[in-house]
Amino acid sequence: DTAVSQTPKYLVTQMGNDKSIKCEQNLGHDTMYWYKQDSKKFLKIMFSYNNKELIINETVPNRFSPKSPDKAHLNLHINSLELGDSAVYFCASSQGQNQPQHFGDGTRLSIL
Amino acid sequence: QKEVEQNSGPLSVPEGAIASLNCTYSDRGSQSFFWYRQYSGKSPELIMFIYSNGDKEDGRFTAQLNKASQYVSLLIRDSQPSDSATYLCAPHNFNKFYFGSGTKLNVKP
Repeated sequence: DTAVSQTPKYLVTQMGNDKSIKCEQNLGHDTMYWYKQDSKKFLKIMFSYNNKELIINETVPNRFSPKSPDKAHLNLHINSLELGDSAVYFCASSQGQNQPQHFGDGTRLSIL
Repeated sequence: QKEVEQNSGPLSVPEGAIASLNCTYSDRGSQSFFWYRQYSGKSPELIMFIYSNGDKEDGRFTAQLNKASQYVSLLIRDSQPSDSATYLCAPHNFNKFYFGSGTKLNVKP
């Protein structure tokens, strides 16, 4: 069974659309994260939730909105997509905030 | 100054040699240090973590930490072609998570 699973794996859409990416972890971890990895391979944290509470909200456009219905799920909704949003988005989880993180396979978002 | 500095490489080593990957970080409050391996088109996977100054060994991998110098390294002994990947250094300070852009390692058969 996949430990951290993201859907969809690929997302191709047009500028201006709204899209969501879902993430689920079955590791029993209490902390989940969203990262963006751009074409230069920089992995940058966007959000982190601990037991459904937002604990990290980096400088990210407010078009990005995370939602955590429970501690095993962290979804990312993006409004009014822009060309610069094209990237790979990784979900991750850990047991505690300073512990090793387990990453999902990533969602490759391409904006046309 | 970047939060995490890594030589982007590529670092090329012959099979069987020792690969040495280095990382410096700027946040002196960093408490936990992680090394992730990322194959092209794949997600990062944890290789090693270290919390205290000194060395930590796990199989062919050794992580070294020097907090005074703000330096962390990863040694890979008996390098294999399957070790060819990008290695990301990731210091963490409670709610601050930093990732380097990685060093690309090529192990030549």
